[in-house]
Amino acid sequence: GENVEQHPSTLSVQEGDSAVIKCTYSDSASNYFPWYKQELGKRPQLIIDIRSNVGEKKDQRIAVTLNKTAKHFSLHITETQPEDSAVYFCAAKGHNAGNMLTFGGGTRLMVKP
Amino acid sequence: GAVVSQHPSRVICKSGTSVKIECRSLDFQATTMFWYRQFPKQSLMLMATSNEGSKATYEQGVEKDKFLINHASLTLSTLTVTSAHPEDSSFYICSASSVQGALIDTFGSGTRLTVV
Repeated sequence: GENVEQHPSTLSVQEGDSAVIKCTYSDSASNYFPWYKQELGKRPQLIIDIRSNVGEKKDQRIAVTLNKTAKHFSLHITETQPEDSAVYFCAAKGHNAGNMLTFGGGTRLMVKP
Repeated sequence: GAVVSQHPSRVICKSGTSVKIECRSLDFQATTMFWYRQFPKQSLMLMATSNEGSKATYEQGVEKDKFLINHASLTLSTLTVTSAHPEDSSFYICSASSVQGALIDTFGSGTRLTVV
C-alpha cells in the first residue's frame, strides 16, 4: 500500500517568513495530492491540491510542487501570518472513488508574531 | 460546495456501552465513505472504507466486530463503537467521496469520543 512520509514534524517561523513542508510517497500509481490544514479539534480543511499531470500549482500565498519522478511534493507558504499556525497534513491517493487517502504524519506550524 | 454533516460532535459514554456516530452527505451522493480515527497529536488513521450497499473494508488491526459500519444509502454512513473502553477515546472523523466532480474527499466535523 501507499506510505506517505512528512517532514518536519514541527516548524517554527517568524511572521512574514516562508514555510516549506515536504512529503514523499511510495506508490507511483498515486495521482492526487491534497494538503490539509487542521486546527485543534476541527476537521481537516483542504487548502490546496495537485494532480499528477501538473508540476506546480499556486493559490495566493500557498503553492504546491510535485516531482513525480522522485515521488515527492511540497507545500510552500509565503508571507506567513499568525493565523497560519495549525497542523498541516499532506496526503496521497489514486484516482478512483474507492481509493483512500493516505496521510502524512503532520507538521505543526507555529508562526511567531 | 460539498458538505458532510457528522454528529454528535462530542459524546461521553460509560465503559461497556455502545456509541453511534452518523455521517451524512448533504448535497451529493457519496459513493464511498471513509472512517478515520485520530489520537492526540497524531495523524488521521484510516479505519475502514465503506461503499453503499456493501460490507465495509477494514484496515489491518481494526476489529470489525467492535467498529460496526453501516452504509445503507448514498447519503448516510454510521459507525458504531460497541462495548467502548477508555482506550477507544479518540477523535473519529468521516469523509465522503463521489464519482462526480473531482473526487475530492469532504470531511465531516468529527466526533470527540470520551469513554469513562
